[in-house]
Amino acid sequence: GQSLEQPSEVTAVEGAIVQINCTYQTSGFYGLSWYQQHDGGAPTFLSYNALDGLEETGRFSSFLSRSDSYGYLLLQELQMKDSASYFCAVSDTGRRALTFGSGTRLQVQP
Amino acid sequence: DTEVTQTPKHLVMGMTNKKSLKCEQHMGHRAMYWYKQKAKKPPELMFVYSYEKLSINESVPSRFSPECPNSSLLNLHLHALQPEDSALYLCASSLDRGAYEQYFGPGTRLTVT
Repeated sequence: GQSLEQPSEVTAVEGAIVQINCTYQTSGFYGLSWYQQHDGGAPTFLSYNALDGLEETGRFSSFLSRSDSYGYLLLQELQMKDSASYFCAVSDTGRRALTFGSGTRLQVQP
Repeated sequence: DTEVTQTPKHLVMGMTNKKSLKCEQHMGHRAMYWYKQKAKKPPELMFVYSYEKLSINESVPSRFSPECPNSSLLNLHLHALQPEDSALYLCASSLDRGAYEQYFGPGTRLTVT
């Protein structure tokens, strides 16, 4: 099966940088995705890593180390609208479906 | 059109009722998913359809019955639900099964009384 661990809550101030970590255990690892979900909203796709290294998309970056079974999401120049839950999710070659981590609730303060 | 639509937005049903949730996408995606999400929890996969065929059933109780009438539509038929089935039901689609980028609908907030 698959299991993922991420911190339950993170608090940061506007303009700061925050990193949300994710460690995973899975067989047949295919890639690590990140999703954002605002309260009352639907999850929306942010980023994906299949290979080691950093992927940058605007203020958001995601990193993967396959050898360490570890990834993180980096949010820069935090804005109040970034307050949301962030989920890492693994996809595997066998099941071919996403398994979501428990989520990290990010609170951005003024 | 990069939208997944779901109806209804809210649903309250008794334990003896039969109701259906509907989901539609027009992105040409060949995989569609049903997830259940409880408050402050991650989405939990229920069913996966790939090319209109059921590919994954995550041991979901038979009171939940999925249906994929065509490549754009996905239904979830509900019957004899329990109060613990109250949750947000999310539909999602992706280009194909296993794709890392899934597009989620806004969900149906279900309350079972």
